[in-house]
Amino acid sequence: DAKTTQPPSMDCAEGRAANLPCNHSTISGNEYVYWYRQIHSQGPQYIIHGLKNNETNEMASLIITEDRKSSTLILPHATLRDTAVYYCIVRGSNTGNQFYFGTGTSLTVIP
Amino acid sequence: ETGVTQSPTHLIKTRGQQVTLRCSSQSGHNTVSWYQQALGQGPQFIFQYYREEENGRGNFPPRFSGLQFPNYSSELNVNALELDDSALYLCASSLVGQGYSGETQYFGPGTRLLVL
Repeated sequence: DAKTTQPPSMDCAEGRAANLPCNHSTISGNEYVYWYRQIHSQGPQYIIHGLKNNETNEMASLIITEDRKSSTLILPHATLRDTAVYYCIVRGSNTGNQFYFGTGTSLTVIP
Repeated sequence: ETGVTQSPTHLIKTRGQQVTLRCSSQSGHNTVSWYQQALGQGPQFIFQYYREEENGRGNFPPRFSGLQFPNYSSELNVNALELDDSALYLCASSLVGQGYSGETQYFGPGTRLLVL
């Protein structure tokens, strides 16, 4: 069962920051927050993950609230190629060996 | 590109037949996970293989089985195909070691199976 809640869809103007929220109110102390995205009919692409601290890589930033009950994925300058379904997943050593993908957020970047 | 490859890319079978899907993991990875993704839904975990043994299974019947080989590549076998088995089948490879510091799974492009 998915342990995260995401809005089903969002729009973002090209060149602006895309902020995708995720609620994970039941997250436990050893569970990581992962973000993947899936462009139509392709395999999911890893974006970023974190435990407690905010993380940044070449693709995105991950902001995790202090209580860890929610997080935000930030794409700093969205392009048309960022149009995809974005999945927020929590997973830890006691969550089994699977990623629960849920239904994700369909992000549309508008020219 | 993740370095994870799957074959074939597309496949058409009829109900009752058997199918074998193949996955080559990314170099240096020792674990393969398989997922089924029906149209319009997120991927659902089938099972994971680590050191050639099943290491976790989702809510799939026994007619879904798998293998992992010494080179860490893997096969997914589905017997007695049903119409509802039509889906995109994804494999993901990862490196699992002692302790847990966040296992990142890298996905292949998938095999699209159509059961008629």
